[in-house]
Amino acid sequence: GESVGLHLPTLSVQEGDNSIINCAYSNSASDYFIWYKQESGKGPQFIIDIRSNMDKRQGQRVTVLLNKTVKHLSLQIAATQPGDSAVYFCAEIGTLNSGYSTLTFGKGTMLLVSP
Amino acid sequence: KAGVTQTPRYLIKTRGQQVTLSCSPISGHRSVSWYQQTPGQGLQFLFEYFSETQRNKGNFPGRFSGRQFSNSRSEMNVSTLELGDSALYLCASSLRQGAGAFFGQGTRLTVV
Repeated sequence: GESVGLHLPTLSVQEGDNSIINCAYSNSASDYFIWYKQESGKGPQFIIDIRSNMDKRQGQRVTVLLNKTVKHLSLQIAATQPGDSAVYFCAEIGTLNSGYSTLTFGKGTMLLVSP
Repeated sequence: KAGVTQTPRYLIKTRGQQVTLSCSPISGHRSVSWYQQTPGQGLQFLFEYFSETQRNKGNFPGRFSGRQFSNSRSEMNVSTLELGDSALYLCASSLRQGAGAFFGQGTRLTVV
């Protein structure tokens, strides 16, 4: 299985910097992707999503980029704040052989923002 | 609109016991999924229910089961608890199967 916690990839940035969190997904047939933020002791929080027919989508201080050629997803956070410190997960939704869709999560990246 | 509500928030059980966790989805959401989160394995999919039917099931033993009621509320049950079942159990709801999911705060289960 994949690890989080002590073995979680960590990105440390200074307050005010821009952060880029990367994710490689596995299913080339996945057609919908979501970024989640999980703070300690809480459930994952929906941040932004993107469909496979798009390359880029912007939200408030966040941008998601999708490169289907190399099956890569990134989350850019502008002017990172201490409150952005959390674990960030990418998730893909793809259709199983059963015909039903399932949400599959990546490993997660811990973002640490220093004041 | 209220978010996804999970009860209880914290639970301590003894090995061999069984436990039932509850999830109330966002109003109007008909799909409910359950996940187990541990430091070693990350977020692992347990099962998904839609309109009272189990649509997908993850790779967990039969001790893990669930159900969904006509009002979309869902419960999951773990029988014959093992120490390794200690985890954060998360419930997520979505408007329909395959749509973006919104998570509850989770139930922290500790098996001693």
